[in-house]
This record gives sequence, structure tokens and C-alpha cells, in this order.
Amino acid sequence: QVQLKETGPDLVQLTQTLSITCTVSGFSLTTYNVHWVRQPPGKGLEWMGAMWNGGGTDYNSAFKSRLSISRDTSKSQVFLKMNSLQTDDTAKYFCARHRLTYGFDYWGQGVMVTVSS
Amino acid sequence: DIVLTQSPALAVSLGQRATISCRASQSVSISRYNLMHWYQQKPGQQPKLLIYRASNLASGIPARFSGSGSGTDFTLTINPVQADDIATYYCQQSRESPFTFGSGTKLEIK
Repeated sequence: QVQLKETGPDLVQLTQTLSITCTVSGFSLTTYNVHWVRQPPGKGLEWMGAMWNGGGTDYNSAFKSRLSISRDTSKSQVFLKMNSLQTDDTAKYFCARHRLTYGFDYWGQGVMVTVSS
Repeated sequence: DIVLTQSPALAVSLGQRATISCRASQSVSISRYNLMHWYQQKPGQQPKLLIYRASNLASGIPARFSGSGSGTDFTLTINPVQADDIATYYCQQSRESPFTFGSGTKLEIK
């Protein structure tokens, strides 16, 4: 069955770099897109960026040049890296499978990341 | 960016109808496709897809959920509301990047 699982640190120091891995199963990264969405505590969902099935990427300009998304298709993994973390980057980070006309049909459970000074 | 506007909260009695609206700052429709989707999120859980392309029920979702709308105005209806439906509901557009979400509507019981 389709599954996505995020792994990453619980705590990141201020100004450091966040790295999260999304490992997927039950589908191929060359067929489906995988996106990243985050949610600060008590707040709404924010789209961060996408890894398209063809290998291209797309980013929310709100993250300027801080965000990078990549993948390893042989390991069925998609990677998020974001640098220069600030306290308002404290959030739960989700990866989700996406099809343009079907929305985000499967989500990981998310990883809660706290940025600490 | 396409801004999606939702009311913050809605209080409904059990067994009644809940209507949650989402208004987009510009059309999210392309040809015959209305690229608006709805999600349910319960505390501590990931969002769950309820409705895709405005009116199509996602797999495994009960028929008491339905969606309608086109262009800029969309509605999610829950009828009848059950206790298990207490959650926050988000609309989301796939018309263009960035693929924005509404701010969410929290469904409460009267």
C-alpha cells in the first residue's frame, strides 16, 4: 500500500540547516509527484515546494533561496533541506503525494521540528 | 499567489448540515477541471483528502461529505454532521504554483 514517512531531527539550532527525508513505498517517484507542506503549532498548512515526477522542482518563493528539494529514485526518497533556520520555522513538516487534478492523496505522519536558540 | 479565504469557525448541531465555504482570489478552474480540493485534519494527525476537483469524493470517504463550486467559489457540505467530523477543514488549489491552502475552518458542535 501507499506510504510516506518523514525522518529528521526533533531539534535544530538557530541559523543551522534542516534536513528531512521522506521515504515512500507503494508507488514510484518517477510516476507521482511528492510535495512538502509544513504547519506551525496551532496554525494552518503552508505549501513549501515540490519534486515533480520528471525530476524538476518548484518552490514557494516565501522561502527564497533557503529551500532545496532533491530525490534518490533508487531509494524511493525525497529530501528537504532548508538553511538559515529561525524560530518561526518551528513546525511539523509533512511530505505528501500529489497529482495535479487529484490533490494530495496520501500524506506522511509528519515530523515535528523545533528551532532552538 | 492565489489567496483562499475561509471562515475561521463554524458551529453546528449533531445531525444537522454543515456548509463550509472557500473563496479564491482568482479562478482555479482550467477547462472542465475545477482544481480545488478539500482536506480534513484532526488534532495531531496529518490532513486527509476528502474531495478532489471540487466535487469528487476521495476513496473511503463517507457519502455525507460532498463538494460543489466552480471558478472562485467552492463549498464543502457535511450532512448529517457526526461527532467524528469535529476537525479543521482546509481547501487547497492546484491551479498554479504556489499550491496554496485556505486558513482552515474549525468545525465545532453547538
